[in-house]
Amino acid sequence: DAGVIQSPRHEVTEMGQEVTLRCKPISGHNSLFWYRQTMMRGLELLIYFNNNVPIDDSGMPEDRFSAKMPNASFSTLKIQPSEPRDSAVYFCASTTETEPYEQYFGPGTRLTVT
Amino acid sequence: AQTVTQSQPEMSVQEAETVTLSCTYDTSESDYYLFWYKQPPSRQMILVIRQEAYKQQNATENRFSVNFQKAAKSFSLKISDSQLGDAAMYFCAYRSDGFSGLMGGNEKLTFGTGTRLTIIP
Repeated sequence: DAGVIQSPRHEVTEMGQEVTLRCKPISGHNSLFWYRQTMMRGLELLIYFNNNVPIDDSGMPEDRFSAKMPNASFSTLKIQPSEPRDSAVYFCASTTETEPYEQYFGPGTRLTVT
Repeated sequence: AQTVTQSQPEMSVQEAETVTLSCTYDTSESDYYLFWYKQPPSRQMILVIRQEAYKQQNATENRFSVNFQKAAKSFSLKISDSQLGDAAMYFCAYRSDGFSGLMGGNEKLTFGTGTRLTIIP
């Protein structure tokens, strides 16, 4: 298996622009997680899905952030409009259906908003 | 809510020596999982080792082992025979059992702030 796939790996955009991050989970995994990593806040969960349904979005910073999972093999995280404080590494992870529910991480997307 | 604390922002060890990274957590749950993840400069998050709370035996993966003290809520990682490739950020993480009658396998990970490990040649 190719593992969790994220695109793009790097994104540089100007403040106010829309940014879309993409994730393809490992085939057969039924849960998908979006994390954000910054120096100030460390690794924090933004949202997670189970069987394509959002379960917990309490970590989504504000209305500028939205996430979708239209099917079992694809998810997007959108920021509109983007701000410099959104600059971070965004990770997608998916998890197995069997104990101990190990989470597999994608390589991350480094987002820079100027 | 659960919290995970890593009190050592940085650690260093001589190559071939042994180092122990500390992690404590706070929870009221009796069943849960604990993980150590490694993040090298490539930033890829790599699972190093896992521990199920219901297992008394400490987990071991080659040169990596844990000291799991459930009563003390402590979960330290020991790296033996340190190698240059072990240099990375190490994160301790907690996951609820999730076996609450609701959907399983979907509980989030709560991470510590990480420990940066340097290997001295």
